[in-house]
Amino acid sequence: EDQVTQSPEALRLQEGESSSLNCSYTVSGLRGLFWYRQDPGKGPEFLFTLYSAGEEKEKERLKATLTKKESFLHITAPKPEDSATYLCAVQVAAGNKLTFGGGTRVLVKP
Amino acid sequence: KAGVTQTPRYLIKTRGQQVTLSCSPISGHRSVSWYQQTPGQGLQFLFEYFSETQRNKGNFPGRFSGRQFSNSRSEMNVSTLELGDSALYLCASSGSSSGGNTIYFGEGSWLTVV
Repeated sequence: EDQVTQSPEALRLQEGESSSLNCSYTVSGLRGLFWYRQDPGKGPEFLFTLYSAGEEKEKERLKATLTKKESFLHITAPKPEDSATYLCAVQVAAGNKLTFGGGTRVLVKP
Repeated sequence: KAGVTQTPRYLIKTRGQQVTLSCSPISGHRSVSWYQQTPGQGLQFLFEYFSETQRNKGNFPGRFSGRQFSNSRSEMNVSTLELGDSALYLCASSGSSSGGNTIYFGEGSWLTVV
């Protein structure tokens, strides 16, 4: 059975304090690993898709990396507006089904 | 370009009733998936439709059903509502039949069962 585990569950950061979120997965045949940001009461907002080990993608203060067993989302010099829940998900079988991890709640204090 | 549109945004239903939620995918997208999000279980996959055919189904009881129309719009139905069905129901659309493309989510429909 496909499993996705995110850690930590919650993260409190000071503005400017860089950190990393972890997403470890156990799947049979990864087709893509997705990162989303979700604000309270809203739907997940797409951030990145990674397809193969060694791949990296960046967007503003966020950088996602992928290995054969896990992915990291690095937040560099975060600002209060980066406060959100960050979700990772894997796509394995044919089709567009995503299996999600439990998410990491990030709070950035000014 | 309009995003994924879900209606209604909020609704309250009574136990035993049924509910229908609607999703309009991004123009040109033919894959539509549905998810249930609760504080305890997180985001869980319900089912996926592509070109009016269901091709993936999650582990939910038969009370949960869906369909897709020829214009790619989709509906999901929950019959005989239970208190535990209270959740945020999310729709996602993709322009690819499988992989290699982005999957976008709508803002969701908040269902409260009383």
